[in-house]
Amino acid sequence: EAQVTQNPRYLITVTGKKLTVTCSQNMNHEYMSWYRQDPGLGLRQIYYSMNVEVTDKGDVPEGYKVSRKEKRNFPLILESPSPNQTSLYFCASSLSHSSGETQYFGPGTRLLVL
Amino acid sequence: AQSVTQLDSQVPVFEEAPVELRCNYSSSVSVYLFWYVQYPNQGLQLLLKYLSGSTLVESINGFEAEFNKSQTSFHLRKPSVHISDTAEYFCAVRPARGGGADGLTFGKGTHLIIQP
Repeated sequence: EAQVTQNPRYLITVTGKKLTVTCSQNMNHEYMSWYRQDPGLGLRQIYYSMNVEVTDKGDVPEGYKVSRKEKRNFPLILESPSPNQTSLYFCASSLSHSSGETQYFGPGTRLLVL
Repeated sequence: AQSVTQLDSQVPVFEEAPVELRCNYSSSVSVYLFWYVQYPNQGLQLLLKYLSGSTLVESINGFEAEFNKSQTSFHLRKPSVHISDTAEYFCAVRPARGGGADGLTFGKGTHLIIQP
């Protein structure tokens, strides 16, 4: 089944403890991105990647890192999480970076930083 | 830069009644328009999109949206809703020529609540 998977789905952590949220797609998609969803704010893009080893900042990149060593994986790294990073995170992928391409979203990772 | 305004944060409607979810956008460049749906505890799924051509686009489950360039709107409609349509609906835009450098810009979402 074609899908985007994220792990973990739920995570509670403490301020300053490094964590990684994994994202994997099995559709051979070139373009991948991370969004965060906050109540009343909709979704905002954190980082995106147009292909392997090509990543760039989205609208809200502060406090996050990403890497794209393989085409299928795009982990989101929080080196020193803070409570304002408590949010619902979505990974998405699309066949190419063309603007009209449909983005396919993962199921989400709900993060609570204490 | 682009912005998307979804005028209603919640829309309650009775089952089998018609519904319209409003979306207006602002952009200095041509954009593509999208509606995504998020069912409870799930990720977002594409409902429909407008890229070019006919300004009326339809989804497989009875929703339709009409692109109105003069009013910069892309309202979503369904003539008769079902309980299973209960979900959060997001309108989004993306610059038509931005490619990967510009991600989707989302509205804040509209929660469609279907009452029996």
